[in-house]
Amino acid sequence: AQSVAQPEDQVNVAEGNPLTVKCTYSVSGNPYLFWYVQYPNRGLQFLLKYITGDNLVKGSYGFEAEFNKSQTSFHLKKPSALVSDSALYFCAVRDQSGYALNFGKGTSLLVTP
Amino acid sequence: EAGVAQSPRYKIIEKRQSVAFWCNPISGHATLYWYQQILGQGPKLLIQFQNNGVVDDSQLPKDRFSAERLKGVDSTLKIQPAKLEDSAVYLCASSLGRTGTDTQYFGPGTRLTVL
Repeated sequence: AQSVAQPEDQVNVAEGNPLTVKCTYSVSGNPYLFWYVQYPNRGLQFLLKYITGDNLVKGSYGFEAEFNKSQTSFHLKKPSALVSDSALYFCAVRDQSGYALNFGKGTSLLVTP
Repeated sequence: EAGVAQSPRYKIIEKRQSVAFWCNPISGHATLYWYQQILGQGPKLLIQFQNNGVVDDSQLPKDRFSAERLKGVDSTLKIQPAKLEDSAVYLCASSLGRTGTDTQYFGPGTRLTVL
């Protein structure tokens, strides 16, 4: 069975500071990992994905994520947070058999001015 | 490029009533997904279509939920009869193919409240 864990319900950071939203995964074989963001009353917006290759993946809006196979982690990062980054962030995993994305429970990011 | 469209955006019904949701995927996307997102949780897959055929409906409560994708484009998801625990946001997503690397793009969702 494949799953992801987002250990933090909420992350608070001051505007301009770096941010990290954590995600760990469990999957048999090689994982395909995704990050999505959800703003209030909106659907999920795709940020970035890791398929293979470089462990540092760059995505939309200045976000990046680092794949760490030994720690089975895929943490989302941004060097300098904006107030407009405040939203709900979801990590998701798929194994190589494809089909459904398995989502974590989400992490609420609050960036204060 | 137009995104995934869903309607209605909000729906309030009483338990035991029926309700239907509509989804129009991104043009050219062969794979369509319906997810259920309960408050405070991540989305959970209900059903996946490849063109107009069902690929995975193992999580769909088939005694009350049904879905179809006629002509391999638009899709409808129906609940009949609704229960209180069906209150959730129903998200439709589409992707070009159904390999593990394909990105799923989501619509805005339909928020269902069952009273």
